[in-house]
Amino acid sequence: QITLKESGPTLVKPTQTLTLTCTFSGFSLSTSGVGVVWIRQPPGKAPEWLSLIYWNDDKRYSPSLKSRLTIIKDTSKNQVVLTMTDMDPVDTATYYCAHRHGGYSNYYYFDHWGQGILVTVSS
Amino acid sequence: DIQMTQSPSSLSASVGDRVTITCRASETISSYLNWYQQKPGKAPKLLMYAASSLHSGVPSRFSGSGSGTDFTLTISSLQPEDFATYYCQQSYSSLGTFGQGTKVDIK
Repeated sequence: QITLKESGPTLVKPTQTLTLTCTFSGFSLSTSGVGVVWIRQPPGKAPEWLSLIYWNDDKRYSPSLKSRLTIIKDTSKNQVVLTMTDMDPVDTATYYCAHRHGGYSNYYYFDHWGQGILVTVSS
Repeated sequence: DIQMTQSPSSLSASVGDRVTITCRASETISSYLNWYQQKPGKAPKLLMYAASSLHSGVPSRFSGSGSGTDFTLTISSLQPEDFATYYCQQSYSSLGTFGQGTKVDIK
């Protein structure tokens, strides 16, 4: 059974750096084809894809946020960490991590999600 | 970036109704299209992948079709647990953009 859970601060100040941790079980990020993504969803809006890390440590970032994002994995701890610098109130959102099924295929999808963590950016 | 546009943005329907939601991509994406259902306060749940494949455990009243730029999600007979927001998501690129959502509520 695959589970994921996000952890980190729920309130950050403008200009601060956000660090979120996704702790998962039921799969290994050392297994070929596996990926973990970060997706955020501002209140009342659609989900927005942020970043992806593959089993082989290949990484992808949203072009609009690339300069602010860093994703790393700790395979031994079954964790993926996302950092986002220079936080702004517009970054207020629920942040989700999810298991990405499909490797490098275009037939990929997000089949297991964490519960999400609401991060508010406010002074 | 590939833009995904859903219509309608919201609809009201009754239990037992047939409901169709449309998703249009800004460029051709073959059949690289997924559908998710989201209920308030919950994470999205995968319903369909590759445009027309039903994810494990999803009721057969859900179906998907389309290829290229135009796709549909159909609920053949709406059930009380289906009132939710539905999102399409393209998997043509690694930047898997989502549509803006279609909220299905009770008439």
